[in-house]
Amino acid sequence: GAGVSQTPSNKVTEKGKYVELRCDPISGHTALYWYRQSLGQGPEFLIYFQGTGAADDSGLPNDRFFAVRPEGSVSTLKIQRTERGDSAVYLCASSLGDFRTGRGYTFGSGTRLTVV
Amino acid sequence: DAKTTQPNSMESNEEEPVHLPCNHSTISGTDYIHWYRQLPSQGPEYVIHGLTSNVNNRMASLAIAEDRKSSTLILHRATLRDAAVYYCILRDVTGGGSNYKLTFGKGTLLTVNP
Repeated sequence: GAGVSQTPSNKVTEKGKYVELRCDPISGHTALYWYRQSLGQGPEFLIYFQGTGAADDSGLPNDRFFAVRPEGSVSTLKIQRTERGDSAVYLCASSLGDFRTGRGYTFGSGTRLTVV
Repeated sequence: DAKTTQPNSMESNEEEPVHLPCNHSTISGTDYIHWYRQLPSQGPEYVIHGLTSNVNNRMASLAIAEDRKSSTLILHRATLRDAAVYYCILRDVTGGGSNYKLTFGKGTLLTVNP
């Protein structure tokens, strides 16, 4: 597609449940990123994929969070045993993999996760 | 990461120019200056980036101070659709390190009055 697609756009879940958030990056973009944005704050880095592998997952808050990108395109962010504090907008972005150009990233519109 | 400082909010009138400032006094020689904006209920959108020279594109202009310790994003004629949070971000694009990571602050909330 022309842009980064994230589904669902909204997700309401009960505390303790498992959720999966999906990201379809721009075709041909080898780099993929997940960010999380809490109300009134800027986005915070979670994880970065180069191809199929997670090159940096240092932003994942704890081991309840996990992300995969098995074929180097679509990525899924998985959250186990959700807590109310996980409520936020989860953003996905993609880019070509050469960072030396300084070229910008393309973000999706995000998935708004609400844990009740 | 080198830090940026932006005003919390600014106001402008429609069809007038807007100058959004950003201070980055600890910028390193290999840091690019990036600007993103975030419209309500959208993800951030890349606006422009530069290293040393001023840059222009269809969305905006970026003016970079000679010492690179500050920069200004210029919207030449603000429209209601430009109302957004504008983020100024530094990215080191040399090999190695976390050159892929964008570190967002709180940005500047731009209000455009009709």
